[in-house]
Amino acid sequence: QVQLVESGGGVVQPGGSLRLSCAASGFTFSNYAMHWVRQSPGKGLEWVATVSDDGSSEYYADSVKGRFTISRDNSKNTLYLQMSSLRAEDTAGYSCARDGRARTAYSGHEFDHWGQGTLVTVSS
Amino acid sequence: EIVMTQSPATLSVSPGERATLSCRASQSVTSNLAWYQQKPGQAPRLLIYGASTRATGIPARFGGIGSGAEFTLTISSLQSEDFAVYYCQQYSDWPLTFGGGTKVEIK
Repeated sequence: QVQLVESGGGVVQPGGSLRLSCAASGFTFSNYAMHWVRQSPGKGLEWVATVSDDGSSEYYADSVKGRFTISRDNSKNTLYLQMSSLRAEDTAGYSCARDGRARTAYSGHEFDHWGQGTLVTVSS
Repeated sequence: EIVMTQSPATLSVSPGERATLSCRASQSVTSNLAWYQQKPGQAPRLLIYGASTRATGIPARFGGIGSGAEFTLTISSLQSEDFAVYYCQQYSDWPLTFGGGTKVEIK
């Protein structure tokens, strides 16, 4: 079965950096675009970033553009989110999600499988 | 950016009754619309994609209709496990955007 397990969250000071990982299993990772979605405590869902199945294309929310970098290692079945210049408003649970379509030219669709998430707290 | 607006924010429904949730887009998203269910402490679960196609394993009591900018999720007869928060999401254009959610609570 599809499994997505995030790690790397924690408490970081404003301006700091953190790298999140998402270990994928149960499917052919290299066939799917992957996404990061975040949810602030008690709030709704916010899409953060997407990487295409081969890693050649990336898409970002304006709120994180220039500060966050999404990447993947298809040999390790792992998705990453490098976060820098962190702000208090980046405090949230960060989940990775699989795109709902395999081997398509367009990377943005519904999210058919989600991880449980890892919590990032930005505070001094 | 396509803004997704869900209504109502909270819906109070008795078990066994029908629930109707609305989602409106600020511009047409054709049929590129998904619905998710989220329970406390859990990851969202995909219910509907393509505005009306149920995801794998989703019961038939969940139905989605609409196209363009107006969408509806209907739960025909609410079961105890259906009380949750529901989100719509458009994937017609970047950035991908979610609605603010509708909480379905027990009346």
